Amino acid sequence: KAGVTQTPRYLIKTRGQQVTLSCSPISGHRSVSWYQQTPGQGLQFLFEYFSETQRNKGNFPGRFSGRQFSNSRSEMNVSTLELGDSALYLCASSPPRDSGNTIYFGEGSWLTVV
Amino acid sequence: AQKVTQAQTEISVVEKEDVTLDCVYETRDTTYYLFWYKQPPSGELVFLIRRNSFDEQNEISGRYSWNFQKSTSSFNFTITASQVVDSAVYFCALTRNTGNQFYFGTGTSLTVIP
Repeated sequence: KAGVTQTPRYLIKTRGQQVTLSCSPISGHRSVSWYQQTPGQGLQFLFEYFSETQRNKGNFPGRFSGRQFSNSRSEMNVSTLELGDSALYLCASSPPRDSGNTIYFGEGSWLTVV
Repeated sequence: AQKVTQAQTEISVVEKEDVTLDCVYETRDTTYYLFWYKQPPSGELVFLIRRNSFDEQNEISGRYSWNFQKSTSSFNFTITASQVVDSAVYFCALTRNTGNQFYFGTGTSLTVIP
């Protein structure tokens, strides 16, 4: 069974630009969540999507957005990039049970903003 | 509010030593779930174990064991006879009974010296 796949793995963007990251969940998983990992703030929850609807949202500015498609694949977008957005962005998927699920992570997308 | 504390930032042990990673959590919920994940340098968080709040049985899986004590709100992880391959950052996490938002500790970086 293929794991969670994230693309691209590495990218460099300039301040002010926008970026879109993609995530393909494990087959059969309908929940996809996104996390930002930085040395200073650790792992922080961005948002979770379930059946194309945003179910939970973390405490991030509106520049961070996401969506989920009917095949459960998800994208997140960051607009007007700031230097502080440099981070590892991790996507995780989980099976359809409502709560208490184990989430399975992809390898992440390393974003550097210069 | 939910909170997970991993007071040990970095630990170094010599190969074959036993090591315990501490995790203390805070929640007012009666139903919740606790997890441990391992993050090697590649970035992907690898699931190790899931525990629900009603299951205080300790668990052993090979060289790994977990001690869950609700009385002290702790969920500690012990590696017996550590190996170099155990070198990684280990995260403890908590999720509630609704949704899939995970609250992560700041992680413990374990280095096993050959």
